Amino acid sequence: AQSVTQPDIHITVSEGASLELRCNYSYGATPYLFWYVQSPGQGLQLLLKYFSGDTLVQGIKGFEAEFKRSQSSFNLRKPSVHWSDAAEYFCAVRLLGGSYIPTFGRGTSLIVHP
Amino acid sequence: DAGVTQSPTHLIKTRGQQVTLRCSPISGHKSVSWYQQVLGQGPQFIFQYYEKEERGRGNFPDRFSARQFPNYSSELNVNALLLGDSALYLCASSFSYFGANVLTFGAGSRLTVL
Repeated sequence: AQSVTQPDIHITVSEGASLELRCNYSYGATPYLFWYVQSPGQGLQLLLKYFSGDTLVQGIKGFEAEFKRSQSSFNLRKPSVHWSDAAEYFCAVRLLGGSYIPTFGRGTSLIVHP
Repeated sequence: DAGVTQSPTHLIKTRGQQVTLRCSPISGHKSVSWYQQVLGQGPQFIFQYYEKEERGRGNFPDRFSARQFPNYSSELNVNALLLGDSALYLCASSFSYFGANVLTFGAGSRLTVL
């Protein structure tokens, strides 16, 4: 069965520091890949997506992610974190064919210290 | 353009009661998906509808049902509520359910079952 793993439940960084959130998936083929952010009490907002082509994708709010096929990973990065980035981050994966239903990871909670 | 709108935003029910949650997709979007998000977890897929037909169903009991109307809005119904049904219910819309589609989420309906 397909699965998405976000190994870090919580990550704490200082404002201005760099950030990397990990996401690994288990599928038989290259899927569509997404990162969403959720602020407290809110819905999910799309940060970026990978469908094909350049494996380094740029998103909103200064985020980027890199798809590494050999590692089945799609890690999210930001060079300098702002206090407003504190939120819950979800990785999601969807197959190119068959079921078109995205599967979400359990999320990583980002805490930003001043 | 309005985003995905959900109503009500918050509601409190008691065990055994029934609840109906509503969702209006982005104009032009023909697919609506429903997700349940329990505190501390990622969204879990419940239903997907496209052109008023069910296209996918997650691992939820028959107490959960949904439908999509000719104007592409949707309702999620939950009967015989249990304490474990307390969650944030998210609706997401997309132009279609296949291909390189991206889900756009609403802010959710927070259901508390007492």
